[in-house]
Amino acid sequence: AQSVTQPDIHITVSEGASLELRCNYSYGATPYLFWYVQSPGQGLQLLLKYFSGDTLVQGIKGFEAEFKRSQSSFNLRKPSVHWSDAAEYFCAVGAQGTDKLIFGTGTRLQVFP
Amino acid sequence: EAGVTQSPTHLIKTRGQQVTLRCSPISGHTSVYWYQQALGLGLQFLLWYDEGEERNRGNFPPRFSGRQFPNYSSELNVNALELEDSALYLCASSWGTVTGELFFGEGSRLTVL
Repeated sequence: AQSVTQPDIHITVSEGASLELRCNYSYGATPYLFWYVQSPGQGLQLLLKYFSGDTLVQGIKGFEAEFKRSQSSFNLRKPSVHWSDAAEYFCAVGAQGTDKLIFGTGTRLQVFP
Repeated sequence: EAGVTQSPTHLIKTRGQQVTLRCSPISGHTSVYWYQQALGLGLQFLLWYDEGEERNRGNFPPRFSGRQFPNYSSELNVNALELEDSALYLCASSWGTVTGELFFGEGSRLTVL
């Protein structure tokens, strides 16, 4: 069965610092991978997605993620965090043909000025 | 273009009552998904509807049910409410058979007392 693990429940960084949020997945075939962001009181917004091809994926708001098959990982990165990036981030894996996304439990990002 | 809309945004019920949550997908989307986001548990997949049919169901008891109407809007019904049903219920829509991006509404927050 597919699963997603986000090992960090809560991360705190200073504004301007770099960021890496970890995501590990379990899936038998090539997965479809996603990162979503949820700001307080709002729904989820897609940051980026990986289906195939280039393993380094660029997303919105300056985020990127790298698919590493050997490590079953899809970590999210940003070189310089802004205060507005404070939110909860969810990694998700898709199952081909089912349209069902399996979400991780999320990482809450706090940004200090 | 209007996004995914959900109603009501907040509601309070007591144990044993029944609740109906509503979702209107983005125009042109034929698939609707329901997720439960309970505190500390991440997003749990509830139901997937496409073209009026239930296509997939998560690991929830039968008192969680729903339907999709000819205009692709959807309802989620929860009978015999229990305290642990307190959560944010998120609806998402997509273009049917394309595995990929889900567009989320802002959710309906249900509190069961």
